[in-house]
Amino acid sequence: SQTIHQWPATLVQPVGSPLSLECTVEGTSNPNLYWYRQAAGRGLQLLFYSVGIGQISSEVPQNLSASRPQDRQFILSSKKLLLSDSGFYLCAWTPMLYPSGANVLTFGAGSRLTVL
Amino acid sequence: AQSVTQLDSHVSVSEGTPVLLRCNYSSSYSPSLFWYVQHPNKGLQLLLKYTSAATLVKGINGFEAEFKKSETSFHLTKPSAHMSDAAEYFCVVSWFGGAQKLVFGQGTRLTINP
Repeated sequence: SQTIHQWPATLVQPVGSPLSLECTVEGTSNPNLYWYRQAAGRGLQLLFYSVGIGQISSEVPQNLSASRPQDRQFILSSKKLLLSDSGFYLCAWTPMLYPSGANVLTFGAGSRLTVL
Repeated sequence: AQSVTQLDSHVSVSEGTPVLLRCNYSSSYSPSLFWYVQHPNKGLQLLLKYTSAATLVKGINGFEAEFKKSETSFHLTKPSAHMSDAAEYFCVVSWFGGAQKLVFGQGTRLTINP
């Protein structure tokens, strides 16, 4: 069966420090991978998605970047964190091939980032 | 443009009473619709999905939702609430088979009173 792992679960970082959140998927090949952010009291915002190694699409301009160095590994990074980067970050995946219209996202447990 | 609106940001019910979480969508295309549940500090879990088959969809934990095209609605219901149902619920619309084109509602927080 497929599983998705995301870490660290919680992180408290000072403004201006770097960030690295990691996500890995097991039990599948060539997944589509996603990073979402959930700010307090708000819905989910898609930050990045990837359809293959080294292929990253950014949905919104921001202080963050993403990389996919391996097929099942997705990393969210920042060189210098801002206060506004605080939030709950969720990694998710879908199979590369799926029935049309049935895009079921499977989410990781999330990483809560607090920037002070 | 595609959009989804969850009509209530917070719903509070007593244990054992029915639950209704409302969702309306706007889509120029035939959508797929989903409900996800998120417990505190956890990831999201799929409750159920509609993908143009039966309009009444049954999901996990006794939840179900009915797709009503004429009303552009996809409301989530459960006959009898349990304490464990307390969570945040998200309605999601998807189209064209591309997950990057998923749109999430703002969420409804469900509180269950003893």
